Amino acid sequence: GAGVSQTPSNKVTEKGKYVELRCDPISGHTALYWYRQSLGQGPEFLIYFQGTGAADDSGLPNDRFFAVRPEGSVSTLKIQRTERGDSAVYLCASSENPGQGNLAEAFFGQGTRLTVV
Amino acid sequence: AQSVTQLDSQVPVFEEAPVELRCNYSSSVSVYLFWYVQYPNQGLQLLLKYLSGSTLVKGINGFEAEFNKSQTSFHLRKPSVHISDTAEYFCAVSRRTAGNKLTFGGGTRVLVKP
Repeated sequence: GAGVSQTPSNKVTEKGKYVELRCDPISGHTALYWYRQSLGQGPEFLIYFQGTGAADDSGLPNDRFFAVRPEGSVSTLKIQRTERGDSAVYLCASSENPGQGNLAEAFFGQGTRLTVV
Repeated sequence: AQSVTQLDSQVPVFEEAPVELRCNYSSSVSVYLFWYVQYPNQGLQLLLKYLSGSTLVKGINGFEAEFNKSQTSFHLRKPSVHISDTAEYFCAVSRRTAGNKLTFGGGTRVLVKP
């Protein structure tokens, strides 16, 4: 595809339910990032994948949050027992392999707006 | 850890006037610096980035930013804005060893008035 695709664009769920958010990165991009943007704030880092493995998951707020990227392409962010405080826009970004001493541009998707009621 | 402060949450500006968006950061290690723009109902788009070299960085759509290490600032400027520049602008940093693991500021909403 032309860019990073995130589905669904909007998700409304009841408190306590389980949700999955999907990210399709740009073809060939080995690095994939998840961010969360709460209302009126800048995005906050959640997790970074290099290939299939989570290279850095230090931003995941608690063990209700989990993400996978089993084939090194599509990634799914999973949230268990959702809480109202999880309501936010979840952003996905992808880039080519950052490399040592170099930096490839990260391209962002339009995000999934999650509302927990 | 790094932190980013965008000093203005909103900046109203008239069309064809100049605009400056202020960004200060804090980090104990060397960082890369970025400005992203978010147009209504769209994803974040990279405006420009500072990796090394010349401290004056030119980006897309006529924007430029200057890295000032002593003042730990990376202010964004445009000499003449258009209505289409109405958007939210985010300053971000990353550790040089952390690639695109970005720490963002809270954003500055620019409203260009005719």
